[in-house]
Amino acid sequence: EPEVTQTPSHQVTQMGQEVILRCVPISNHLYFYWYRQILGQKVEFLVSFYNNEISEKSEIFDDQFSVERPDGSNFTLKIRSTKLEDSAMYFCASSLTSGDGETQYFGPGTRLLVL
Amino acid sequence: GQNIDQPTEMTATEGAIVQINCTYQTSGFNGLFWYQQHAGEAPTFLSYNVLDGLEEKGRFSSFLSRSKGYSYLLLKELQMKDSASYLCAVRDSLSNAGNMLTFGGGTRLMVKP
Repeated sequence: EPEVTQTPSHQVTQMGQEVILRCVPISNHLYFYWYRQILGQKVEFLVSFYNNEISEKSEIFDDQFSVERPDGSNFTLKIRSTKLEDSAMYFCASSLTSGDGETQYFGPGTRLLVL
Repeated sequence: GQNIDQPTEMTATEGAIVQINCTYQTSGFNGLFWYQQHAGEAPTFLSYNVLDGLEEKGRFSSFLSRSKGYSYLLLKELQMKDSASYLCAVRDSLSNAGNMLTFGGGTRLMVKP
């Protein structure tokens, strides 16, 4: 069964450093998403991406964040200058369309720890 | 804005039935999803409701009442592996692209022998 994959599974970085989290969505999916989950808290939407541009973003997704689809398979989330409060699990998701009932399938996540 | 409420924790016995409730207040509504999340893992899709009524999928069923802003997930014949968090998520029809999911805090279900 096709699945979303993410690398790395864990990343430790120093405050102020840049990190890039990578995702390979399900191959025929057209919509891509990033969510985050701070330990013990709810899953929060960051951004959705379609047709090589951001279609929606939350208040969390400020100027420190960016997304890119550098090639036909990868979808990346970049945090330019990490802060302690960026420590969280970051989930990538993808869906075939954005129509009614279209399920978003989640990857296994990248656990980011900012020291 | 969105507000989604679920009980924080529930405990049930193996073989029993458990109902996990979710209430929501949203500015727009375009469907409600239930996901299962084991500790440290990704949410996995369980069910989807957009019209009122019950959707059944094996041991799992989900119900929606849009007028009451209420849904529940029903798990039958509980197994130990069902111990997980169950996340209620609402899709907002008023969001720009209609894709954004807003999640509740999740209900941690513990199944005991």
